[in-house]
Amino acid sequence: DADVTQTPRNRITKTGKRIMLECSQTKGHDRMYWYRQDPGLGLRLIYYSFDVKDINKGEISDGYSVSRQAQAKFSLSLESAIPNQTALYFCATSDSGQRIYEQYFGPGTRLTVT
Amino acid sequence: ILNVEQSPQSLHVQEGDSTNFTCSFPSSNFYALHWYRWETAKSPEALFVMTLNGDEKKKGRISATLNTKEGYSYLYIKGSQPEDSATYLCAFDNTDKLIFGTGTRLQVFP
Repeated sequence: DADVTQTPRNRITKTGKRIMLECSQTKGHDRMYWYRQDPGLGLRLIYYSFDVKDINKGEISDGYSVSRQAQAKFSLSLESAIPNQTALYFCATSDSGQRIYEQYFGPGTRLTVT
Repeated sequence: ILNVEQSPQSLHVQEGDSTNFTCSFPSSNFYALHWYRWETAKSPEALFVMTLNGDEKKKGRISATLNTKEGYSYLYIKGSQPEDSATYLCAFDNTDKLIFGTGTRLQVFP
């Protein structure tokens, strides 16, 4: 079984709809991250969380919100989806107990907003 | 805003060719540099984490070097194989988060 899972893997939604992307991990890591990937732009950080009570905005948080329901779960919400949020979304985790915070990625969610 | 640049953006090589690409990053406040390999339809996977100036890491035919004073890292692939086709991402680690470059997309033709 994968250590970092994301649901759904693919989603098509309409402009204005609310959508939630979910991430779960069994690695026991305390840190979790949400990124989006657009062609030619690399991975850009949306939000990150260092523990259940800690949520931080990343580079491109506008239009997104997150919830850290438990150490193992970190959800990303688009309150009112718009077409330029069409992208590949990745969740990642890391362990603050390590000296170097290597990140482990989920399989990605491909979101299309029409 | 920290800027991480990778070049070239894409590369097409023949099987057996050796190749290399570059990651440039801020030379001040360096903590670590990460290299990831990302195959289409899969998750990015860590290749190397480099922390010390002059570091060299190797995994099979892939190796990487680090120069923190001038702010660059090279990734080398010796004798490229079709299975090396992927996007190679570098990321500057500022302890709180990773700042990714845009990646080098490598295609190796048989």
